[in-house]
Amino acid sequence: AQTVTQSQPEMSVQEAETVTLSCTYDTSESDYYLFWYKQPPSRQMILVIRQEAYKQQNATENRFSVNFQKAAKSFSLKISDSQLGDAAMYFCAYRRRRGGSQGNLIFGKGTKLSVKP
Amino acid sequence: NAGVTQTPKFQVLKTGQSMTLQCAQDMNHEYMSWYRQDPGMGLRLIHYSVGAGITDQGEVPNGYNVSRSTTEDFPLRLLSAAPSQTSVYFCASSYRRQVTTNEKLFFGSGTQLSVL
Repeated sequence: AQTVTQSQPEMSVQEAETVTLSCTYDTSESDYYLFWYKQPPSRQMILVIRQEAYKQQNATENRFSVNFQKAAKSFSLKISDSQLGDAAMYFCAYRRRRGGSQGNLIFGKGTKLSVKP
Repeated sequence: NAGVTQTPKFQVLKTGQSMTLQCAQDMNHEYMSWYRQDPGMGLRLIHYSVGAGITDQGEVPNGYNVSRSTTEDFPLRLLSAAPSQTSVYFCASSYRRQVTTNEKLFFGSGTQLSVL
């Protein structure tokens, strides 16, 4: 069974600084997706960034980028130029690419990010 | 285009009561699912469906029933609510296509359920 581990329950960053959130996962499959979701106090689940496992190039979305290390099964999220609006829970998630349960997301337990002004 | 709509947003139940959490999507998504979110536990899959008439269990299915009679709707039923079912519930949907450039999972806004 696949598992996702976020080892940092809480993180803090100064506004305008850079922070990296860690995520490791375990799977025997070679074809999958990885995601970072943001959940602000409104509790809406917001997709921040996604990575296809077959792509070697790390995904980037504006101030958000990932460091995807497939062999090490590591998928960290880097937030550059942190803003007050980045404060939220961040969830790392894994999803199979194929098969009947391909839609199912497996989530880590989350990292609560605080941004200090 | 409303996306994924969950009702109600908040609900308080007494132990032993039954209720149905509603989920509807208007994007013609084949795949729909229910997650529960508990503090320190992340989101865990309860049940999911890959199309009308097809449902399957996720990681934490006990105490919950689902059915999928239409593509649009995927209700979650609590037959006899227990305090352990106090949680935030999320419905999510997506296309099932295996080869696509858009595998985004669309989430509803969640239902906060308290069982006393």
